[in-house]
Amino acid sequence: DAGVTQSPTHLIKTRGQHVTLRCSPISGHKSVSWYQQVLGQGPQFIFQYYEKEERGRGNFPDRFSARQFPNYSSELNVNALLLGDSALYLCASSGTSGIRFAEQFFGPGTRLTVL
Amino acid sequence: GDSVTQMEGPVTLSEEAFLTINCTYTATGYPSLFWYVQYPGEGLQLLLKATKADDKGSNKGFEATYRKETTSFHLEKGSVQVSDSAVYFCALSNDYKLSFGAGTTVTVRA
Repeated sequence: DAGVTQSPTHLIKTRGQHVTLRCSPISGHKSVSWYQQVLGQGPQFIFQYYEKEERGRGNFPDRFSARQFPNYSSELNVNALLLGDSALYLCASSGTSGIRFAEQFFGPGTRLTVL
Repeated sequence: GDSVTQMEGPVTLSEEAFLTINCTYTATGYPSLFWYVQYPGEGLQLLLKATKADDKGSNKGFEATYRKETTSFHLEKGSVQVSDSAVYFCALSNDYKLSFGAGTTVTVRA
């Protein structure tokens, strides 16, 4: 079975541009979460979507937005890119919204470089 | 808010050595605790977890015990292999998100 897939693998943008990252969850999973992992740090939670509704948002500016589609795939959008947005963006899926007892499965990530 | 503090690396060991990575947490309520591993060139994988106090999570020779009295979840392995070289992340969850530590890079030399 396919795991969590993300596209693109790598992306280079310049300051001020906009970027869209995509994620397809494991088949049957209805929850998608996004994390930002800056080099040398642990992943930081950005959003969780469950059944196409936002269930949680981390401490990120409004330049970051996301949505989930009827097939449960998801997009993360970042506007007005800053150098500090350079990071590995991880998508994770799970079968439920609450993850205390349910495992989140992570994709390989999209490496975003902002010049 | 919830936070995780883990031992800074990098850690370099010889094969068959004993590995310990310390992890302490601050959280409200009764979170679940996790160890994730990121092998070179691969995505994050769940290594083990514990959902309540005194639970022991174990996998691939690694173990960690949920200690509520010391708010700790230290990772241990008795005899490491070169293939254990990776970045290890301690994490917790109270609800819908994971809060991660900064990660500890472990290198095992033959």
